[in-house]
Amino acid sequence: QKEVEQDPGPLSVPEGAIVSLNCTYSNSAFQYFMWYRQYSRKGPELLMYTYSSGNKEDGRFTAQVDKSSKYISLFIRDSQPSDSATYLCAIVNAGNMLTFGGGTRLMVKP
Amino acid sequence: DAGITQSPRYKITETGRQVTLMCHQTWSHSYMFWYRQDLGHGLRLIYYSAAADITDKGEVPDGYVVSRSKTENFPLTLESATRSQTSVYFCASRTGGSYEQYFGPGTRLTVT
Repeated sequence: QKEVEQDPGPLSVPEGAIVSLNCTYSNSAFQYFMWYRQYSRKGPELLMYTYSSGNKEDGRFTAQVDKSSKYISLFIRDSQPSDSATYLCAIVNAGNMLTFGGGTRLMVKP
Repeated sequence: DAGITQSPRYKITETGRQVTLMCHQTWSHSYMFWYRQDLGHGLRLIYYSAAADITDKGEVPDGYVVSRSKTENFPLTLESATRSQTSVYFCASRTGGSYEQYFGPGTRLTVT
């Protein structure tokens, strides 16, 4: 079983929609979670960083961790065409390194 | 400009050749990382370094060599390139006190 799993998509939504991106992870001991955004032919950029359970909000983005289900989510409100990118979840693993999900490609259509 | 840079951005080489990818950061971050990104495999860690002169293997180190004589530089060498090393390579860095990593723009390497 992979440490982090993510649906590759693509996920296509109309502009203004609420987007939900999800990852599952295997080890209930993981406590630090991140979301990266990667535009085509660019490096990943850090979007959100959360610790333990609960929600964290930053503008139109909300990161949610459900430790009981080993499930992490990123919600994007009022999605824009500029949000079209691949979104990578990452967990801090037992070796204090990052393990990445495979990424979900999001397309927001005007 | 401050940040993390990689060179070259694009490279085509032949099987069996030695190739070195460069990574430079201006933040004085203690940790530096090399990843490769391939369709179907996502980002995989090749090597990392916790400080100058300290390096360690990641998930996929075979065929790669790293060194870190200065804090700001972390070159990755493919000693004898193979077609399976065709990939996009990303360098990243972070401080010793947090887990957030910051990535460079990547090097797209093609081995023919």
